[in-house]
Amino acid sequence: DGGITQSPKYLFRKEGQNVTLSCEQNLNHDAMYWYRQDPGQGLRLIYYSQIVNDFQKGDIAEGYSVSREKKESFPLTVTSAQKNPTAFYLCASSIYGGAFSTTDTQYFGPGTRLTVL
Amino acid sequence: QQQVKQSPQSLIVQKGGISIINCAYENTAFDYFPWYQQFPGKGPALLIAIRPDVSEKKEGRFTISFNKSAKQFSLHIMDSQPGDSATYFCAALYSSASKIIFGSGTRLSIRP
Repeated sequence: DGGITQSPKYLFRKEGQNVTLSCEQNLNHDAMYWYRQDPGQGLRLIYYSQIVNDFQKGDIAEGYSVSREKKESFPLTVTSAQKNPTAFYLCASSIYGGAFSTTDTQYFGPGTRLTVL
Repeated sequence: QQQVKQSPQSLIVQKGGISIINCAYENTAFDYFPWYQQFPGKGPALLIAIRPDVSEKKEGRFTISFNKSAKQFSLHIMDSQPGDSATYFCAALYSSASKIIFGSGTRLSIRP
């Protein structure tokens, strides 16, 4: 059963703590992405990776970090430097390494809702 | 300008009616315009997409109308069904700059 897995579905953390969100895909996709979704707003790109051991900042990378040590995994760390971390976080992947190609489709995971108390 | 403005914010349509969601953009460099459907607690899924050299694209009950001169595009859902109740996002892709900009979303409710 192929797809994108994000865990956990709900995550609670105290203010000032770093937290890592998991994203795994078994679709053999080259590119992976992290988005943030806030109520009443569209998705905003945090980071993306076109290939293992390489990643690029998106529009709102400040306060976040990522790694891409394996093709199937792209974890996101929300650091204490992120001013307003409470949000719904979505991971996505696409087949080609050329991220944002018009011939490529991004497939999204089910998301992780992070609440910082 | 990188914004994509989406309207309305919410929409209620009777079953069997036509749902229409509109988006407008400024940057003429955008070269791909997808629409995503998102159910509560789930990630978005690609519904239909169009390139700017095409004025209309239809897939089943879903149609995108694209007006390049007005820099506007819209999603039409014909014969709307309760199962279509979801949040819909338009987006604009600027592939050479690795940019994708999403609209703010429209929450669609289809009344039985």
